[in-house]
Amino acid sequence: AQKITQTQPGMFVQEKEAVTLDCTYDTSDQSYGLFWYKQPSSGEMIFLIYQGSYDEQNATEGRYSLNFQKARKSANLVISASQLGDSAMYFCAMREGDTGRRALTFGSGTRLQVQP
Amino acid sequence: DARVTQTPRDKVTEMGQEVTMRCQPILGHNTVFWYRQTMMQGLELLAYFRNRAPLDDSGMPKDRFSAEMPDATLATLKIQPSEPRDSAVYFCASGLVIGLAGVPLYNEQFFGPGTRLTVL
Repeated sequence: AQKITQTQPGMFVQEKEAVTLDCTYDTSDQSYGLFWYKQPSSGEMIFLIYQGSYDEQNATEGRYSLNFQKARKSANLVISASQLGDSAMYFCAMREGDTGRRALTFGSGTRLQVQP
Repeated sequence: DARVTQTPRDKVTEMGQEVTMRCQPILGHNTVFWYRQTMMQGLELLAYFRNRAPLDDSGMPKDRFSAEMPDATLATLKIQPSEPRDSAVYFCASGLVIGLAGVPLYNEQFFGPGTRLTVL
């Protein structure tokens, strides 16, 4: 089974509009972390936002917020007021457990295109 | 501005040659990860280290790949012999794991710019 599922291969959004990128995850661990990364066409991976499984509040970082629904095992990224520079690939990732394996498992990504 | 650095940024080599990729993690970080990104497989974990000790290299083909951390400021990934199917972008990432009883207080991983490897 896929650990991280991103069902939207591509998304379009108008500049200044909000957009939600979907991510569902699968884990039996009680403690885990969820991450979103942005990969622009230049190729680097840029950390955007983190949500811990025990965090009661949804994470926010500027225009980015994470809509964390634990019971549904979803961790959707919301970008408010989209900008042309937001056009990129977006990856959802998960780190499972408190100890032991701490690397990230990535989803297949969503390509976001912001249109003027 | 602390960053993970990787060298070389681009490498073109012929099948059968040895390839060495280097990574300098952010000073003070105690975990290092190697990932590979291809169009077909996406992002995959190859290996990761904590406090210079390898904790997981199950994603790495053992017969040709090796990863080491000779010291806290250098991580290396070697492929010998290289094959065309190894062509990919290889990312190094570093992070800091701190906390009590393994409960993390800090979770961000910082990625390097990647090494684009082409094996002809």
